[in-house]
Amino acid sequence: EVQLVESGGGLVQPGGSLRLSCAASGFTFSSYWMSWVRQAPGKGLEWVANIKQDGSEKYYVDSVKGRFTISRDNAKNSLYLQMNSLRAEDTAVYYCARGLWFGELSNWGQGTLVTVSS
Amino acid sequence: DIQMTQSPSSLSASVGDRVTITCRASQGISNYLAWYQQKPGKVPKLLIYAASTLQSGVPSRFSGSGSGTDFTLTISSLQPEDVATYYCQKYNSALFTFGPGTKVDIK
Repeated sequence: EVQLVESGGGLVQPGGSLRLSCAASGFTFSSYWMSWVRQAPGKGLEWVANIKQDGSEKYYVDSVKGRFTISRDNAKNSLYLQMNSLRAEDTAVYYCARGLWFGELSNWGQGTLVTVSS
Repeated sequence: DIQMTQSPSSLSASVGDRVTITCRASQGISNYLAWYQQKPGKVPKLLIYAASTLQSGVPSRFSGSGSGTDFTLTISSLQPEDVATYYCQKYNSALFTFGPGTKVDIK
């Protein structure tokens, strides 16, 4: 059974940093693109970042470019999101997700809440 | 960047009604379009991918169609458990985009 478990969320002050982790199991992690998707309270889904199987390609939504970094460790079956220079508008539940083959996000973690506030 | 729009933003229908949600891409995306259902407080669930392929385990009352820029999600007979927000998402490139969502409830 595919499982994705996020961790690392919490309360952080504006301008601060946080590192999210996603532990994957139940599938060959190194064979799949992985994604981060977020959802602000009461709002819709927003794709944040993607990373290719070997980490050689990374893509970001414009609003986080230069501040967030997606990475992965295939030996540890783990996905990461390093978030720097956090803003109030980054407050959201952050989900990691895996596609059936690419963008068809068939498996999602339960999410981790990031709150940016002073 | 390709923008995704959805209409309507919300709808209310009776049990048994046929419900149609429209998703439009600002540029052609072939059939690289997925639909998700998100119930309140729950994780999004993939319903349809490749515009019209039903994900395993999804009831057959859900269907999708379209290609290029215009897509539809249809619920052939609305059930109480279908109360949710529905999102389309394009994945024709590694820059994914979700639509703003359509909230469906029971009249």
